[in-house]
Amino acid sequence: GQQVQQSPASLVLQEGENAELQCNFSSTATQLQWFYQSPGGSLVSLLSNPSGTKHTGRLTSTTVTKERRSSLHISSSQTTDSGTYLCAIDHQGGRALIFGTGTTVSVSP
Amino acid sequence: GPKVLQIPSHQIIDMGQMVTLNCDPVSNHLYFYWYKQILGQQMEFLVNFYNGKVMEKSKLFKDQFSVERPDGSYFTLKIQPTALEDSAVYFCASSSWVNTGQLYFGEGSKLTVL
Repeated sequence: GQQVQQSPASLVLQEGENAELQCNFSSTATQLQWFYQSPGGSLVSLLSNPSGTKHTGRLTSTTVTKERRSSLHISSSQTTDSGTYLCAIDHQGGRALIFGTGTTVSVSP
Repeated sequence: GPKVLQIPSHQIIDMGQMVTLNCDPVSNHLYFYWYKQILGQQMEFLVNFYNGKVMEKSKLFKDQFSVERPDGSYFTLKIQPTALEDSAVYFCASSSWVNTGQLYFGEGSKLTVL
């Protein structure tokens, strides 16, 4: 089945620094979403990006489908960016998304 | 943006009892999902549902689990009977036909089985 690996597992930043989060997956994906999970547990969809590059605010995602990898770039990090970033990929062409283990980001002032 | 509502936000029950978790999906969405997340662990897919039927399910979707959406009302996850290992946060999600693949999640229902 689909395997989703994220790196690094955790990241500590000073406010204003940039960060690059990686997601690698084992099988071809037609759906890929990046999510933010707050320390309280709620889940927010950040970007849907199965291929190419997409931007929203300070976030940029680049997915290279053939190489089965995606990255999420956070620019000018803020303390409110602290939380866990999850990459999720479709499972064998189905509609269900399979989640990675996440990257926990901690931004200090 | 689109909102998925989940009720209750937290429920505590005794092992062996039945529990129903309710989800009000985004109004024009046709595909519905349940995910399970044990505290500190990975988000795991349970089941998805379309047109009154289970489309896909994982090994975590035990025989004690069932889902339905009677007459367009809440999309529900029922666990009967509950076990200690069912303690987790259950997230509901929905997606539309048009915007294929973009899932919208609720805030989660925390289930504690004693």
